[in-house]
Amino acid sequence: ILNVEQSPQSLHVQEGDSTNFTCSFPSSNFYALHWYRWETAKSPEALFVMTLNGDEKKKGRISATLNTKEGYSYLYIKGSQPEDSATYLCASYSSASKIIFGSGTRLSIRP
Amino acid sequence: DTEVTQTPKHLVMGMTNKKSLKCEQHMGHRAMYWYKQKAKKPPELMFVYSYEKLSINESVPSRFSPECPNSSLLNLHLHALQPEDSALYLCASSPGGARGAKNIQYFGAGTRLSVL
Repeated sequence: ILNVEQSPQSLHVQEGDSTNFTCSFPSSNFYALHWYRWETAKSPEALFVMTLNGDEKKKGRISATLNTKEGYSYLYIKGSQPEDSATYLCASYSSASKIIFGSGTRLSIRP
Repeated sequence: DTEVTQTPKHLVMGMTNKKSLKCEQHMGHRAMYWYKQKAKKPPELMFVYSYEKLSINESVPSRFSPECPNSSLLNLHLHALQPEDSALYLCASSPGGARGAKNIQYFGAGTRLSVL
C-alpha cells in the first residue's frame, strides 16, 4: 500500500449500536498514526496519536488499535450516539514530517 | 486557549487578484502547517514552518507564498490563482518543531476559497 486508505467511505449506524472502521497505511517506514474526528463546519479534532505496534488507546466510548507490521489501525465506537456523527480521518507519518491523510470514513448515526 | 483561528472563513477571488489567508494560534506551538483539501479528497500538506522557518514545501506552485511573521501567525499569500485552486485551506499547529509526528495537530476550521 502506497497511500492511506480508509474503509468504508461512509457508514450509517443505528443509535446505540457499536461500529468500527479501518485505516490501512504503508507498513514500511512507519513512524506514527493519528486519528482525527471532523464534524461539519468545525475544525478536525485529534483523537489519538499511536506509535507502537499493538498500541491500544481509549477515550470514552472510542478506542483504537494499531498493527504496524501489517499496516492497519481500527477505530471502534461503542454505543453510538448522534453526536458521534462526523468524518473520521487517519493520517500516517512515514517519517517525522511526511504526512499522508486518508479520505475519511463518514459516520451517520440514525436516532 | 486551544484554538487555531483562520480568517476569512470564505473567500472568492478572480484569477488576477492578490489575497491572503491568515492563521493564528496562542498556544505557544512552534510548528505550523498549511493543508489544501478538495471535495471528497484527503487533506494534502502544502507547507510546514518550524520555529518560524519554512521546513517543508511539498512542491507547491509559486502562486502560493507562505509567510510566518512570528511564532503565532501564519499567512498564505495568493496571487494569479487558477479555478482548480478552489478548495478548503486548513491551517494547523503542533507543539515543538515540525519533527513532531508524535504530537497532535490542532486545526483551524479552514478558509473555503473559490477562484473564478
